[in-house]
Amino acid sequence: LAKTTQPISMDSYEGQEVNITCSHNNIATNDYITWYQQFPSQGPRFIIQGYKTKVTNEVASLFIPADRKSSTLSLPRVSLSDTAVYYCLVGDLTNNNAGNMLTFGGGTRLMVKP
Amino acid sequence: DTGVSQDPRHKITKRGQNVTFRCDPISEHNRLYWYRQTLGQGPEFLTYFQNEAQLEKSRLLSDRFSAERPKGSFSTLEIQRTEQGDSAMYLCASSLKTYEQYFGPGTRLTVT
Repeated sequence: LAKTTQPISMDSYEGQEVNITCSHNNIATNDYITWYQQFPSQGPRFIIQGYKTKVTNEVASLFIPADRKSSTLSLPRVSLSDTAVYYCLVGDLTNNNAGNMLTFGGGTRLMVKP
Repeated sequence: DTGVSQDPRHKITKRGQNVTFRCDPISEHNRLYWYRQTLGQGPEFLTYFQNEAQLEKSRLLSDRFSAERPKGSFSTLEIQRTEQGDSAMYLCASSLKTYEQYFGPGTRLTVT
């Protein structure tokens, strides 16, 4: 699986848009980009997945440039409850013939302040 | 609640004892995963089941660890002769699609 690099931590304020960028320079052709969120003392929760360009759901947007060597998770108008660790994962996770465990890095600790 | 459940939520044991954790996945999910997470780190993959078959096991997994999923429903993870380094949060996840895994609340193990 491709290695990912994310900022260790970020601070923001309520109501602001937060963008967390993940670098994955050696992403492979069949790799997808997936983001998970984890609150303290809970298991991770799937947020969004994409392959290229832009993906949007009710929670977040994912921006992926043409070269796919990076991706940006965008959280609109964050609230205190968005304080969590955000993980970027890259891999051929749609290959249903393989176990394809999720390989988490250290993640980005987002702190939202009042 | 139809999510993934794990039992117990917390376990304190003395070094050298055996412990067993249980995971009940979402009922229609045929895939089940075990992960381990230590403080400040992301979850680390341990093993994977598709139905009752254990298809992958981390090379980092000691022989003291064993997992089962009889009948392809719930799963158990056993750690024999626990060591202090086994202290961690043990997470179970299930899925239909590999990339969208649903995690349980975890079992926090403390080995004294």
